[in-house]
Amino acid sequence: QVQLVQSGSELKKPGASVKVSCKTSGYTFTNFGMNWVRQAPGQGLEWIGWINTNTANPTYAQGFAGRFVFSLDTSVNTAYLQISSLEAGDTAVYYCTKSRDTYFGDYWGQGTLVTVSS
Amino acid sequence: QSALTQPASVSGSPGQSITISCTGTSSDVGSYNLVSWYQQHPGKAPKVIIYEDTKRPSGVSNRFSGSKSGNTASLTISGLQAADEADYYCCSFATSNTWGFGGGTKVTVL
Repeated sequence: QVQLVQSGSELKKPGASVKVSCKTSGYTFTNFGMNWVRQAPGQGLEWIGWINTNTANPTYAQGFAGRFVFSLDTSVNTAYLQISSLEAGDTAVYYCTKSRDTYFGDYWGQGTLVTVSS
Repeated sequence: QSALTQPASVSGSPGQSITISCTGTSSDVGSYNLVSWYQQHPGKAPKVIIYEDTKRPSGVSNRFSGSKSGNTASLTISGLQAADEADYYCCSFATSNTWGFGGGTKVTVL
């Protein structure tokens, strides 16, 4: 069965960096892209972008290019989201979610809470 | 600010039908048949319930249906049940080759 398992919660200080992992199983990793979505406490969903797991080409939503970087390790079927220069406004649950041809979200990770606080 | 506009809340009694609107522009909702809808219960990951404007993934109840007219997509829940109480988000592909969510709608079953 398809599974996306994310790394655990993180508490970081402003200005620090964090790397969230999303380990997949149950399907051919390079056949489907990976999207990243975040949700601040009590707020709605926000699409950060996606990465083509075959070419490693990323696409970022407006406002996320620069501090947010997607990467892959296809040898272990894992996608990563790295966020640098963390700000309090980055406090959120971050989800990885598998792409389909015309939508995403047939499978989701359990979410990773990133808290940015001094 | 969300790319798409949804009502903040919608409510209905058990057994009734409710409709949630999702208004975009000719650069997103109106350009592609690529609107999807997600249901999210508190503390849980979202679940896709509609994709390509009107299609239901396998296993999703046929009480959920999607439609679209121009720049506005809609999600209808018929035969409302207590388990339908959740947040609902629309999402559309856009000409910028990115996806954007609506602000979300809280559905309350009275």
